[in-house]
Amino acid sequence: EADIYQTPRYLVIGTGKKITLECSQTMGHDKMYWYQQDPGMELHLIHYSYGVNSTEKGDLSSESTVSRIRTEHFPLTLESARPSHTSQYLCASSAGGFIEKLFFGSGTQLSVL
Amino acid sequence: GENVEQHPSTLSVQEGDSAVIKCTYSDSASNYFPWYKQELGKRPQLIIDIRSNVGEKKDQRIAVTLNKTAKHFSLHITETQPEDSAVYFCAALDSGGSYIPTFGRGTSLIVHP
Repeated sequence: EADIYQTPRYLVIGTGKKITLECSQTMGHDKMYWYQQDPGMELHLIHYSYGVNSTEKGDLSSESTVSRIRTEHFPLTLESARPSHTSQYLCASSAGGFIEKLFFGSGTQLSVL
Repeated sequence: GENVEQHPSTLSVQEGDSAVIKCTYSDSASNYFPWYKQELGKRPQLIIDIRSNVGEKKDQRIAVTLNKTAKHFSLHITETQPEDSAVYFCAALDSGGSYIPTFGRGTSLIVHP
C-alpha cells in the first residue's frame, strides 16, 4: 500500500549519541519534509527537499542534517543528541505540481536523557 | 515570508454545537489553504482545502470560507461530535512559488458529550 513510513516509532537515547530517523515513502512524491512538533502542538519545519540531491533548511534552527539520495528516502541525522532535541519528529511528502496535499508519517517520538 | 496566525488555541464546545477556527495570512501570493486534523497520537491528515479562486467549500459537516481581500480563512464545523475532538491546523502556500506550506499554531478542539 502506498504510504509514508517512519522508523523507529519511539526512541530513547543518551546525550551525545548519533542517531538517524528514517523516512520512506512509496508514493513516488518529489517533495519531502521534516517537522518537529513540540508538546504545544506547533509544527516547525526543519528541513525539506524538492527532489533527489535537493535539501534545504527550514524555519527552525536545527543541529540535524538530511540527505536525499533516492526519491523515496529522506533520513534525518542528529550527530550529537541533546535533551533539547526531545520531541516528536514528523516526516511528510507531497507530489508537487499543483497537488499540494501533504501526507504525513506516523512520527518518531524521540527522548534524549 | 508568509506568516499564518490561528485562533483560538483552544476551543471547547458541547456536542451538537458549531465550532469556528480562524486564520489570517500575510502573503497575498498565497493561493492554496488546506486544513489538517490531528487526532491524539495520530498523524495529521488533510480534511478540506480551498483555492484562492473559490470563496467557500463544503464537505458534509465541515466548510471553509476564504476572504482574499482581508486575507483570512475559517473552518466551520457544524453539529460537532466527540470524534471531532482533535488539533486542527490551517496552512497557506503559494503553489506557483516555493510550495512550502506555512502552518498556523494549531487549535485544540474539545467536544463534550
